[in-house]
Amino acid sequence: DAKTTQPNSMESNEEEPVHLPCNHSTISGTDYIHWYRQLPSQGPEYVIHGLTSNVNNRMASLAIAEDRKSSTLILHRATLRDAAVYYCILSDTGNQFYFGTGTSLTVIP
Amino acid sequence: GAVVSQHPSRVICKSGTSVKIECRSLDFQATTMFWYRQFPKQSLMLMATSNEGSKATYEQGVEKDKFLINHASLTLSTLTVTSAHPEDSSFYICSANGPSGNTIYFGEGSWLTVV
Repeated sequence: DAKTTQPNSMESNEEEPVHLPCNHSTISGTDYIHWYRQLPSQGPEYVIHGLTSNVNNRMASLAIAEDRKSSTLILHRATLRDAAVYYCILSDTGNQFYFGTGTSLTVIP
Repeated sequence: GAVVSQHPSRVICKSGTSVKIECRSLDFQATTMFWYRQFPKQSLMLMATSNEGSKATYEQGVEKDKFLINHASLTLSTLTVTSAHPEDSSFYICSANGPSGNTIYFGEGSWLTVV
């Protein structure tokens, strides 16, 4: 069962930052927070993941609340190629993913 | 990064026949792989966890006799849809634990159409 809540859709202007929120109030101490994105007719693509501390990589940043009950995926400069459905997923070491509905991101040129 | 490949990417089969979808980890060994199904405009639904050398673990409501999973090697898991019907038409996606253990990598997905 999905354990995360995300807005169904968001819009962003091209070249502007995007903050995608995710609530996970029932997160356990061993749950990692994973973010994936999916384009139509493709498998999900790994974006970023973290446990407690904020994380940065070449694609995005992950900001994790101090109580870990929410997190935010930050795309620093949205491009048209970032338009996708973004999934926030909790998983312990078993790595079984139960997907929620995700956030459909539209990037406006 | 780690690569997971599925084959075929698209398959059409007749109702009542069986079809096999392969999932391979190309540059790493995966003791555990996962199979998902996704209907149009819906999210991914976990079907089963495939364990190398042992039986797969199926999610509640997934028929194990209809969706046969075999994980005979550390780089290959197969999903066989037996006696396929049109309602089995869907996008099937596999994933595998990456080398670091904390990252999951997904295949490109396989479209199954049953006519």
